[in-house]
Amino acid sequence: EVQLVESGGGLVQPGRSLRLSCVVSGFAFHDYAMHWVRQAPGKGLEWVASLSWNSGSKRYADSVKGRFTISRDNAKNSLYLQLDSLRPEDAALYFCAKDTGEIIAPSDAFDFWGQGTVVTVSS
Amino acid sequence: QSVLTQPPSVSGAPGQRVTISCTGGSSNIGAGYDVHWYQQLPATAPKLLIYGNINRPSGVPDRFSGSNSGTSASLTITGLQAADEADYFCQSYDSSLGGALFGGGTKLTVL
Repeated sequence: EVQLVESGGGLVQPGRSLRLSCVVSGFAFHDYAMHWVRQAPGKGLEWVASLSWNSGSKRYADSVKGRFTISRDNAKNSLYLQLDSLRPEDAALYFCAKDTGEIIAPSDAFDFWGQGTVVTVSS
Repeated sequence: QSVLTQPPSVSGAPGQRVTISCTGGSSNIGAGYDVHWYQQLPATAPKLLIYGNINRPSGVPDRFSGSNSGTSASLTITGLQAADEADYFCQSYDSSLGGALFGGGTKLTVL
């Protein structure tokens, strides 16, 4: 059974940092690209960042570029998202999602998702 | 324009058919990039419903179907059931953004 479990969310002040983790099981993690997607309360889904299977290719949404960093440790079946210089508008439920392929390809879908971890940004 | 536009809400009675539209532009659907659809039941993670415009993952009933034409795509649900009440999101790739683009979501209410 494919499982993705996010952690690391919490309440943080504006300008501070947070590191999210996503531990996966049930599939060959090292063979797939991975993504972070967020959902603000009562809002829709927003793509945040993508990472290829070997960390050779990274993509970021303009809203987080230069502040967030996506990374992975294939030996630990783990995906990470470092959130720096947090803003109130970054508050959301953050999901990690598995790609259907190993590279970041335009045609790929997100076929499995975790339950998410909540990030709250407030002073 | 890097936007996928969905109607905020649709509704239908049990057994009926509903269609949810997703309208994009020349940098996403109109450029030929695939459209995918996700179902998000209340307080749960999104679930892939349709991929590659028309394909259903294993386990998704054939009551759900996708299509697209030009700069738009559609999700059709036939034989509506109470369990289908959820939010539905379309997603494509946008060349201007350089990444995935989601529609704003459509809330389906089963009357």
